[in-house]
Amino acid sequence: EVQLVQSGAEVKKPGESLKISCKGSGYSFTSYWIGWVRQMPGKGLEWMGIIYPGDSDTRYSPSFQGQVTISADKSISTAYLQWSSLKASDTAMYYCVRSAGLVYYFDYWGQGTLVTVSS
Amino acid sequence: QSVLTQPPSVSGAPGQRVTISCTGSSSNIGAGYDVHWYQQLPGTAPKLLIYGNSNRPSGVPDRFSGSKSGTSASLAITGLQAEDEADYYCQSYDSSLSGSGVFGTGTKVTVL
Repeated sequence: EVQLVQSGAEVKKPGESLKISCKGSGYSFTSYWIGWVRQMPGKGLEWMGIIYPGDSDTRYSPSFQGQVTISADKSISTAYLQWSSLKASDTAMYYCVRSAGLVYYFDYWGQGTLVTVSS
Repeated sequence: QSVLTQPPSVSGAPGQRVTISCTGSSSNIGAGYDVHWYQQLPGTAPKLLIYGNSNRPSGVPDRFSGSKSGTSASLAITGLQAEDEADYYCQSYDSSLSGSGVFGTGTKVTVL
């Protein structure tokens, strides 16, 4: 059974750093892309970026380029989304998703990680 | 800011048919890229509903259907049921955004 299991909720202060994770299981982790999707409170879905764990090829939405870093450790089938300096506007639910390719759909979703940034 | 536009809300009585539009441009839907649809029930992660414009994953009822024409796509729900009350999002690929996927603005479906 394919599963994407994300790390737990986080409460951080502005300016702090953070790295959240997404562990894939039940499939060949290096053969599919893993993307990240943001959903701010009460708002819609936003495509942030995507990585191919097989060779670490990474693409970012222009809206998120330079704001976050996406990475993956294929030895433990885990993808990451990290911030070096959080802002209050980063408060959102973050989902990891699996895709067969850049132009394809997201067939599996993680359960989401709620990130709250507040002083 | 999304490049795929959906109506904010649609509503219908149980048993009725509702449709949700997803309007793009020549760099995404109009360029021939497929459109996919997701359903997000309250408090849950989104779920793939339609892929490749009109295909249903296993387990999705056949009262959900998708189509695409030109720079737009549509999701239709026939025989609307109370459990269909949710947010729906279209998704495609945009060649003008440095190889980026894009979501629609989202539509809230209300069952009256």
